[in-house]
Amino acid sequence: AQTIHQWPVAEIKAVGSPLSLGCTIKGKSSPNLYWYWQATGGTLQQLFYSITVGQVESVVQLNLSASRPKDDQFILSTEKLLLSHSGFYLCAWSLVGPSNERLFFGHGTKLSVL
Amino acid sequence: AEKVIQVWSTASRQEGEELTLDCSYETSQVLYHLFWYKHLLSGEMVFLIRQTSSSTAKERSGRYSVVFQKSLKSISLIISALQPDDSGKYFCALWEPSNYNVLYFGSGTKLTVEP
Repeated sequence: AQTIHQWPVAEIKAVGSPLSLGCTIKGKSSPNLYWYWQATGGTLQQLFYSITVGQVESVVQLNLSASRPKDDQFILSTEKLLLSHSGFYLCAWSLVGPSNERLFFGHGTKLSVL
Repeated sequence: AEKVIQVWSTASRQEGEELTLDCSYETSQVLYHLFWYKHLLSGEMVFLIRQTSSSTAKERSGRYSVVFQKSLKSISLIISALQPDDSGKYFCALWEPSNYNVLYFGSGTKLTVEP
């Protein structure tokens, strides 16, 4: 069975510090991968998607970057956190696009930037 | 402007009651899909039901059903016979073929079902 693992579960970071969030998908070959973010009270926004290793497309500019170093791994990062980066981050995967296959989400990472 | 709007951020009901969650959306596409997801306290996002713009069928899945008003660009999720386990956050989402790999979500409605 396929599984999706996100790490860490929660982070408390200082403004200006670096950040790295990770996501690993096991049991599926060449999935489409996605990063989502929701600020408190805000919409759940898609940040990035990746169709294949090494290729990442940005959807919303939030001074964050993403990389896909391996087929089953998706990394979200920044060198300098802003207060506005606080929120809940979700990684997700699908076999094709999100319309043809349901999106399977991870458990998420709660980020607090102080 | 937001593409998907869920007006109610919270809702509360008693066990056994029925609930309607509203969602409005904005699109210029003829073909699109609408989804309802439930976000569990554990963090997991669970797919509930999908409505295709070209379908006139009244979609239903177990205790979940939708009311799709295409001309009003509105879709409502109806949950019947509510149970405490139905508590969670419900998201409406829109997919358009012009943005094949993007899913637009609303802000979600947090539901609490009291026993």
